[in-house]
Amino acid sequence: QVQLQQWGAGLLKPSETLSLTCAVYGGSFSGYFWTWIRQPPGKGLEWIGEINYSGSTYYSPSLKSRVSISIDTSKNQFSLKLTSVTAADTAVYYCARGGMTGITGRIDYWGLGTLVTVSS
Amino acid sequence: QSVVTQPPSASATPGQRVTISCSGSSSNIGNNYVYWYQQFLGTAPKLLIHRNDQRPSGVPDRFSGSKSGTSASLAISGLRSEDEADYYCVAWDDSLSAVVFGGGTKLTVL
Repeated sequence: QVQLQQWGAGLLKPSETLSLTCAVYGGSFSGYFWTWIRQPPGKGLEWIGEINYSGSTYYSPSLKSRVSISIDTSKNQFSLKLTSVTAADTAVYYCARGGMTGITGRIDYWGLGTLVTVSS
Repeated sequence: QSVVTQPPSASATPGQRVTISCSGSSSNIGNNYVYWYQQFLGTAPKLLIHRNDQRPSGVPDRFSGSKSGTSASLAISGLRSEDEADYYCVAWDDSLSAVVFGGGTKLTVL
């Protein structure tokens, strides 16, 4: 059974950098794309980006200038950094497992989510 | 404003059949697979339908997906109170080079 465990700071000040890490337990790590998605309170889901085992990254056009996703294959972990956060970045951030052959929108395993609040 | 559009809400009574629509364009739904997710309040979403109309193991056959042109639909038959949740359609968008989510539909079981 695949499990994703995520952690990171839950309270940030404006202009700080959001940093989250997700560890994957069970299943294959190398054969999949790994995804970050967020959900502002009371709103819908937003795709942030994905990374594959080789380190190739794909980002949302609206966040591309501020986001970075990295992978540590030795630890079966991947991470998210989002710079210069504002209150608009307040959301629950989910790490998740994407597809195998490419980025399609298929997401079959999810972390529990981390609420990140940006407030001065 | 999402490039993939869903009605914000839907409702039906137990036992009825309800359909949730998802409208896009040739760059997303029209040319790529559609996925549907179910999300209960305070929990992570769950994959409900993949590749337009395929159910993952464990998803009841009361849930079905379809696609025609640049639109897709999720149908739930034999509606139950436990189906009350938010439902999202998702697809890859060739023009944006991004995964796009519909705005979500809140299903109320009356």
